[in-house]
Amino acid sequence: KNEVEQSPQNLTAQEGEFITINCSYSVGISALHWLQQHPGGGIVSLFMLSSGKKKHGRLIATINIQEKHSSLHITASHPRDSAVYICAVRWIASNYQLIWGAGTKLIIKP
Amino acid sequence: DGGITQSPKYLFRKEGQNVTLSCEQNLNHDAMYWYRQDPGQGLRLIYYSQIVNDFQKGDIAEGYSVSREKKESFPLTVTSAQKNPTAFYLCASSIGTSGDSSYNEQFFGPGTRLTVL
Repeated sequence: KNEVEQSPQNLTAQEGEFITINCSYSVGISALHWLQQHPGGGIVSLFMLSSGKKKHGRLIATINIQEKHSSLHITASHPRDSAVYICAVRWIASNYQLIWGAGTKLIIKP
Repeated sequence: DGGITQSPKYLFRKEGQNVTLSCEQNLNHDAMYWYRQDPGQGLRLIYYSQIVNDFQKGDIAEGYSVSREKKESFPLTVTSAQKNPTAFYLCASSIGTSGDSSYNEQFFGPGTRLTVL
């Protein structure tokens, strides 16, 4: 049983489409992270959320603590957004350990 | 430029050999972490260190060893006891490991891809 589930596992879309990636978790958390991993392998942190909504450029992240669910949205998607998007939660019982989702592979076609 | 460096980017090893992966950070972070990534799976924690000269086992420490003699450096040795070492290894660091969430935010290196031949 995975404590963090992401959907979809793979997503292919056309340039310009609105993208939604979902993350559900089953444990109590103090924060949720969205990260981006490019084909080269390096990981970049996009957002850290403990409530509500955050926006950075074309990226929007929301979290519903009661429903244990978060979404990452990309508006006006572009081929350079193609990457693996990873959700990770900071388990409330352990302030330093993250529980990781398996990632969503996004491909944006021109 | 502040950041985390890992070397080498690609590493090949013969079965039965130990190999050490380098991780250096100049962010003045106290905490450092090693993760392993396999296709289709989430990252798994191998070892972490909250402070110099201290480290703790993560979820999959068997077959690995680490040291933390300097704040900036957290090398990982993959020993011959690791049954399936071929994977992508990521090092991360954070300011600390407690308190405010921003204190715990982890920053990642570019990773080392290890292949055992």
